[in-house]
Amino acid sequence: DIQMTQSPSSLSASVGDRVTITCRASQSISNYLSWYQQKPGKAPKLLIYAASSLQSGVPSRFSGSGSGTDFTLTISSLQPEDFATYYCQLSYSVPYSFGQGTKLEI
Amino acid sequence: EVQLVESGGGLVQPGGSLRLSCPASGFTFSSYWMSWVRQAPGKGLEWVANIKQDGSEKYYVDSVKGRFTISRDNAKNSLYLQMNSLRAEDTAVYYCARVSFWGVVVSAAIFDYWGQGTLVTVSS
Repeated sequence: DIQMTQSPSSLSASVGDRVTITCRASQSISNYLSWYQQKPGKAPKLLIYAASSLQSGVPSRFSGSGSGTDFTLTISSLQPEDFATYYCQLSYSVPYSFGQGTKLEI
Repeated sequence: EVQLVESGGGLVQPGGSLRLSCPASGFTFSSYWMSWVRQAPGKGLEWVANIKQDGSEKYYVDSVKGRFTISRDNAKNSLYLQMNSLRAEDTAVYYCARVSFWGVVVSAAIFDYWGQGTLVTVSS
């Protein structure tokens, strides 16, 4: 199975900062990667699919990039509501592996 | 508005069984693959199972094969997860999720709507 590894596991930042989260696949997955945001006690929310396509309704400060094995999620200017845990996910074959998560803290 | 509402979780002893339900509304249920995804307390997300629109194809993560069964009733717009031979490591919040696909050459799955989750605790 393909493994997904995120870094860092946690990140401290301030409102207005630009932050980048990285996800690495154990083998090439083209652009078959999605990103989710999860707030405490809530269900995950789809942010980005196909590595860089923004899901409808997601603010444009979120962006994704990458192809092959290395991917990034960038938040251009952190807002208070962005403090959450972010997961990448392999999306083209079962088992749809998730990364271990990156907790973004104030 | 798409709504997914899980139920059926609770406390069960090791070796016991539970059946989770997830009635859906706000979309044409019979047109979508559906999934169960779980999250152990304080841990990350783990995909558990998928089922095709007509129930003819089902896929499972290795750790639940032979113990869990995903099913659906399109007449009732509902998704189910029958969990048998439960283990302590099955303790988690279980989410049902709608699956959408993108891509031309390869159909890639995304979980575009999620329920609020139901907690399953396996303990003696």
